[in-house]
Amino acid sequence: SQTIHQWPATLVQPVGSPLSLECTVEGTSNPNLYWYRQAAGRGLQLLFYSVGIGQISSEVPQNLSASRPQDRQFILSSKKLLLSDSGFYLCAWSVKGQGLAGTSYEQYFGPGTRLTVT
Amino acid sequence: LAKTTQPISMDSYEGQEVNITCSHNNIATNDYITWYQQFPSQGPRFIIQGYKTKVTNEVASLFIPADRKSSTLSLPRVSLSDTAVYYCLVGDGSARQLTFGSGTQLTVLP
Repeated sequence: SQTIHQWPATLVQPVGSPLSLECTVEGTSNPNLYWYRQAAGRGLQLLFYSVGIGQISSEVPQNLSASRPQDRQFILSSKKLLLSDSGFYLCAWSVKGQGLAGTSYEQYFGPGTRLTVT
Repeated sequence: LAKTTQPISMDSYEGQEVNITCSHNNIATNDYITWYQQFPSQGPRFIIQGYKTKVTNEVASLFIPADRKSSTLSLPRVSLSDTAVYYCLVGDGSARQLTFGSGTQLTVLP
């Protein structure tokens, strides 16, 4: 069976410090990978997605970057955190959609990282 | 991208059936509709997915009219533990399409 891991679970970092959040997936190969952020009381904002090693697409301009050094590893980074980077960060994976009517797919989410920038 | 519109919040009582409607007027031919449930401090969890007409599983039903411009998630006999945010997504499965809206906060009251 497939599992997705995220760490750390919680993190408190000062403004201006670097960030590295890691996500790994087990039990599947060549997945699509995603990083989301959720501010308190808000919906999920897609930050990055990746369809393969070294392939990163960014949805919004921001202070963050993402990398996919291995097929099942997705890393979210920042060189200097801002207060506005606080939030709940979720990693997710999905099988690649085929764009066919009736094709079933879903996203599987990790447990998340609660980041507080002080 | 097909934009979705949902009510911001809904209240219900235990034992009632709850229907949450999502509008997606510019849904494309290859798009299908997926609903997720999210509890606080957890990642969303898949509930149900459909392309047209009606789909039913052990937790919910999804009703999609012929024009597919809207969909309705139906939760039978809700309990307190169904209090959560429910998201409607529309897409064809490509990575770019999987974007969540603001969702509907469902509160089940005793």
